[in-house]
Amino acid sequence: DTGVSQDPRHKITKRGQNVTFRCDPISEHNRLYWYRQTLGQGPEFLTYFQNEAQLEKSRLLSDRFSAERPKGSFSTLEIQRTEQGDSAMYLCASSYTSGGFTDTQYFGPGTRLTVL
Amino acid sequence: QKEVEQDPGPLSVPEGAIVSLNCTYSNSAFQYFMWYRQYSRKGPELLMYTYSSGNKEDGRFTAQVDKSSKYISLFIRDSQPSDSATYLCAMDRGNQFYFGTGTSLTVIP
Repeated sequence: DTGVSQDPRHKITKRGQNVTFRCDPISEHNRLYWYRQTLGQGPEFLTYFQNEAQLEKSRLLSDRFSAERPKGSFSTLEIQRTEQGDSAMYLCASSYTSGGFTDTQYFGPGTRLTVL
Repeated sequence: QKEVEQDPGPLSVPEGAIVSLNCTYSNSAFQYFMWYRQYSRKGPELLMYTYSSGNKEDGRFTAQVDKSSKYISLFIRDSQPSDSATYLCAMDRGNQFYFGTGTSLTVIP
């Protein structure tokens, strides 16, 4: 399967714990995006990388959230001191950009986080 | 006002019906327009991707963009029970996608 993969698919944690999610993009894609989706809503942009550089962060990305893409391939999203309001589906997407053209985004299956 | 408005439904149609899904937007800077299908507890799956005003057809799906009215549509012909899902419109302003809330569609056999 050459699509976007995410791990884990489900995570249940207690309030106050730290969690980390991983995303592996489509191999030739140089852009990687993180979104959060709550029930009945569309995905909300969190941040995106071009290669290893984090180029944009949403105001939704509080200080408890950090994302990395150290080698320009896979990415991790960490949430520290989780709160019940962090319960959501965390989606990763990737795309290819070159010379001003950016292809559309292809999404992974998501990681569903439940904070108890 | 949200950047992208989409009627959440739910929408219920009999098998074989023509389905029309719509989104409006407020920002004329949007350049690319997408429709994604999302099954329950799954990631969004790209259905259609358009750039210019006009129609784009792919099988039973037709995407329509009217930039002058800031209005996009997705038509599904000969709808099937397997089309039952949430349909999300999305718009690209260069680096960020803005999604509608999604319209829940059920196709009844």
